Amino acid sequence: AQSVAQPEDQVNVAEGNPLTVKCTYSVSGNPYLFWYVQYPNRGLQFLLKYITGDNLVKGSYGFEAEFNKSQTSFHLKKPSALVSDSALYFCAVRDRVDSSYKLIFGSGTRLLVRP
Amino acid sequence: GAVVSQHPSRVICKSGTSVKIECRSLDFQATTMFWYRQFPKQSLMLMATSNEGSKATYEQGVEKDKFLINHASLTLSTLTVTSAHPEDSSFYICSARDALAGGPSYNEQFFGPGTRLTVL
Repeated sequence: AQSVAQPEDQVNVAEGNPLTVKCTYSVSGNPYLFWYVQYPNRGLQFLLKYITGDNLVKGSYGFEAEFNKSQTSFHLKKPSALVSDSALYFCAVRDRVDSSYKLIFGSGTRLLVRP
Repeated sequence: GAVVSQHPSRVICKSGTSVKIECRSLDFQATTMFWYRQFPKQSLMLMATSNEGSKATYEQGVEKDKFLINHASLTLSTLTVTSAHPEDSSFYICSARDALAGGPSYNEQFFGPGTRLTVL
């Protein structure tokens, strides 16, 4: 069965420090990988995706993520956190051969950046 | 580009009434739209996949007679919560898949802002 794990319910970091939000996945084959951010009472906003090629993917708002096939991970990173980055972050995967195009979401990680 | 809207953004209704939520892709065609439900501080739960011109595909455990889905055009899908009860109160989010083959966002999902349903 396909699954996505975000092992941390919450990540706390001081403004200006680097941040990492973890994601591991279990999907047969080579998946597409995504990160989304959700602000309170809002829908999901796309941050970045991995399709193929360079394992380091750069996305919106200074975020990046590194695809690690051997560890089946796709951790989200940012070199210097901002208070405005505080939000709920979701990792998602899609099976390349799944014609339904369904996304499988992780449980979400709340990022809290303190001033 | 790639904007998805939902209407209404917030609705409060009495128990037993039906509520319709609209999901529109504003600047692209979406042969497939997805409906999710999100409980407080939880992840998104896929309820159903809505395909233009055909019946929706519901996930296991989702009552199709309770949550009616219609996808009559390439830019509009509707979710109707019939005979709503307090336990149906939730945040409902739709997404739309870009169907333009060869385009930069082909097959990507774009999410609406969500609809908060409160059933009294």
